[in-house]
This record gives sequence, C-alpha cells and structure tokens, in this order.
Amino acid sequence: EADIYQTPRYLVIGTGKKITLECSQTMGHDKMYWYQQDPGMELHLIHYSYGVNSTEKGDLSSESTVSRIRTEHFPLTLESARPSHTSQYLCASSAGQGAPNYGYTFGSGTRLTVV
Amino acid sequence: EDKVVQSPLSLVVHEGDTVTLNCSYEVTNFRSLLWYKQEKKAPTFLFMLTSSGIEKKSGRLSSILDKKELFSILNITATQTGDSAVYLCAVRGGSEKLVFGKGTKLTVNP
Repeated sequence: EADIYQTPRYLVIGTGKKITLECSQTMGHDKMYWYQQDPGMELHLIHYSYGVNSTEKGDLSSESTVSRIRTEHFPLTLESARPSHTSQYLCASSAGQGAPNYGYTFGSGTRLTVV
Repeated sequence: EDKVVQSPLSLVVHEGDTVTLNCSYEVTNFRSLLWYKQEKKAPTFLFMLTSSGIEKKSGRLSSILDKKELFSILNITATQTGDSAVYLCAVRGGSEKLVFGKGTKLTVNP
C-alpha cells in the first residue's frame, strides 16, 4: 500500500493556468523530493526539502516552486503553465541515514499535459 | 558532477532467459547504490547496496556492487513476462540526493 500520495494522477490544462501538484506522506520522513521525468528519460531532481521550512532547488532548473509548511506535505506549484512543462512529476520521501529503510519511497506520479 | 550510466538501454529476451543489467557510476563520497523497477507509474524499490562483494537476493533477482571498479549488476534469472519494466539504477553521494541513470528497458516475450 502507498504511504506517499500524489494528486491528481493525470492533469490536462491550458497554457497560462496556475496549478498545484499535491504530495503527502504518512511515514514521518523529514526528507522529500520532486523529480521530473520525460518519457524514456531519466529522473531529474527539481526540488528537495530536508525538513519544515527548508526547500532547495535541484540539479535541473525548473520554473516551479515548492513549500514545506508541514512535515507530511510538499506541494509543487506552477504559476503559469506552458507546454514545455508537460512531463511526469514524481514525489518521493526518504528516511534518514540511520533509519532501517534508507531508500526512497515514490508516489504514483502526476502526468501533466499543458495544451 | 555525479553520473550514472546504465547499459544496455534496451533489452528484449524470451521467457526463461537470464539477463544481466549494468550500472556504472561516478559520485563524490559514495554512500549507496539503489536499484528500482519502474512499470507504468512509480519506481518500486528493489535493492540498496553499500558494500562491495555482498550479493543481495530477492527471489529471482540478485545484485552485487563493486566499489573499486564503480559498478553494479542486476541479475534476473528465469525471466517472466511480469519482469518487463524499466530498471533504474541510482546512487547517493554526500548530498543524500539520488542521481538516476536513464534506465534499462527490459521486454520479456512469452
């Protein structure tokens, strides 16, 4: 069963619209991440957070923004969507280095299409 | 810059075949290497490797890490159609962020 939830699963919107992709986890993980994945391509880190009120940009430049007001919630926002933002967005969380499960847990993803 | 290279990028086999997927990496302050299986949606965790020479096994899947030569392999024996997926290799360095390879797309035909 999923302990990390992303909504919506699919989203088709028009250019210029503001959107927020939701990500919530129930595992109490401090570390959360957003990855962007185009079809057939690798996952690229666009944002990450190591705790409440901590957010950083990832290795791939993105026009999106994130916030981390609560441990369990890490939403991603696009103020003005463009066709170039069409992609799959994956949210993940991880336990700390000393935890038994050191690996990431991924949400089911949001497939965004901007027309 | 941390880098992960997987090979082959694509592989087509018949049920019952054994496959070996390769992952080489360059990372600063290596901490761990992880393998994931990605079907239509989210990647699912397979293995985490931190030490050289220790094989991890789960059913028909196994993986081993060579920290001296900077690579890992993922073996799948007696493949089944349900093994068809993209297999992702990722490494974690000093920053704790995962860097992913492009993946190997495995297709198992009946």
